[in-house]
Amino acid sequence: GDSVTQMEGPVTLSEEAFLTINCTYTATGYPSLFWYVQYPGEGLQLLLKATKADDKGSNKGFEATYRKETTSFHLEKGSVQVSDSAVYFCALSLYSGGGADGLTFGKGTHLIIQP
Amino acid sequence: GAGVSQSPSNKVTEKGKDVELRCDPISGHTALYWYRQSLGQGLEFLIYFQGNSAPDKSGLPSDRFSAERTGGSVSTLTIQRTQQEDSAVYLCASSWGLAGGAQYFGPGTRLLVL
Repeated sequence: GDSVTQMEGPVTLSEEAFLTINCTYTATGYPSLFWYVQYPGEGLQLLLKATKADDKGSNKGFEATYRKETTSFHLEKGSVQVSDSAVYFCALSLYSGGGADGLTFGKGTHLIIQP
Repeated sequence: GAGVSQSPSNKVTEKGKDVELRCDPISGHTALYWYRQSLGQGLEFLIYFQGNSAPDKSGLPSDRFSAERTGGSVSTLTIQRTQQEDSAVYLCASSWGLAGGAQYFGPGTRLLVL
């Protein structure tokens, strides 16, 4: 079946450090890829997405590139802030004739940024 | 509405009782999804609707779980004869139902079964 694997953490970094959260996937078809973020006490928010190979999604200084050859979608940010502390989820979805299927999520990476 | 809304926000029930959880999607979104978030299992897909039809019910954990959607809008997730392992946050999301489309999540219903 389809699956997403990501580092679970917690990942602890100092403010202004470079961030990479690895995400790899297996899928039976050609998926769309997403990063969602869950801030403390809040719901899931879409951070960025990419729908085809070599697409780069970006938002709020975060970037991720859809790499079909390595089945990866790593999340990066050049300089993290305390406010980036949250749980980050990598996810994929496939599209069937009936519509967009449910998301398959990784287990989430807890990111802690220290001032 | 502006976003996905869910009710109740919290529900405490006794083992063996039935519960109904409600989701109101973003206006115009044709697809609606239910997920469950728990510490042990992470985020699990339960079921999705395209309009009022549910093409994929494969994620429902048991026959105690059912869902319906009427008028292409509001959906209810029903859990019959609740068990303690049903305790979790139940999340609803909606989208345009198109390939590559993002899903937008509601705040969730936190269910506690005593």
